Amino acid sequence: DTGVSQNPRHKITKRGQNVTFRCDPISEHNRLYWYRQTLGQGPEFLTYFQNEAQLEKSRLLSDRFSAERPKGSFSTLEIQRTEQGDSAMYLCASDLRGGIGEQFFGPGTRLTVL
Amino acid sequence: AQTVTQSQPEMSVQEAETVTLSCTYDTSENNYYLFWYKQPPSRQMILVIRQEAYKQQNATENRFSVNFQKAAKSFSLKISDSQLGDTAMYFCAFIENNAGNMLTFGGGTRLMVKP
Repeated sequence: DTGVSQNPRHKITKRGQNVTFRCDPISEHNRLYWYRQTLGQGPEFLTYFQNEAQLEKSRLLSDRFSAERPKGSFSTLEIQRTEQGDSAMYLCASDLRGGIGEQFFGPGTRLTVL
Repeated sequence: AQTVTQSQPEMSVQEAETVTLSCTYDTSENNYYLFWYKQPPSRQMILVIRQEAYKQQNATENRFSVNFQKAAKSFSLKISDSQLGDTAMYFCAFIENNAGNMLTFGGGTRLMVKP
């Protein structure tokens, strides 16, 4: 297993466009998390899945944001009608239910909204 | 609401010296977990060390150790024999036992190890 992967690594888009990011967690991990990290700040929790169920959503996740994990494996995060304030690094992490342990992070997708 | 505060935005240390990064947190819960994560430049975040709040003994991982003061809600990270590869952003983070396992992060401390 090569760890958590995210695609694309970089995305530049124009304001008002829709973007979609993908996260592939470590294969045996059944929990998957999305975080957002703006420049010079710590990551902020957005949402998490246990298998295919979305169990928690932050108030940061406006109605323009939607996340899915259809088969309990990979996940997608879509942002509709992007705004300049959406520019950030979007991080995905995964872990295994049953322990309060290490979340394994992916390299992130850096979004720039022009 | 949970909060995590790192009061040192930037720090530097000479190679082979020791440095301590500070972290304070706020919670009304008794059961929780504390973490230090490292984010090297342009690389992904990795776990450095973790501490369960019910354990009185401070966690240690090789050159990394913590000073966990539960009553003071303080969780500092000590890096001994600093190496150039320790240059990174360091984030203190927190999970409450019954809060769905999502991490709450501090704002980070940028550590520069100088040769």
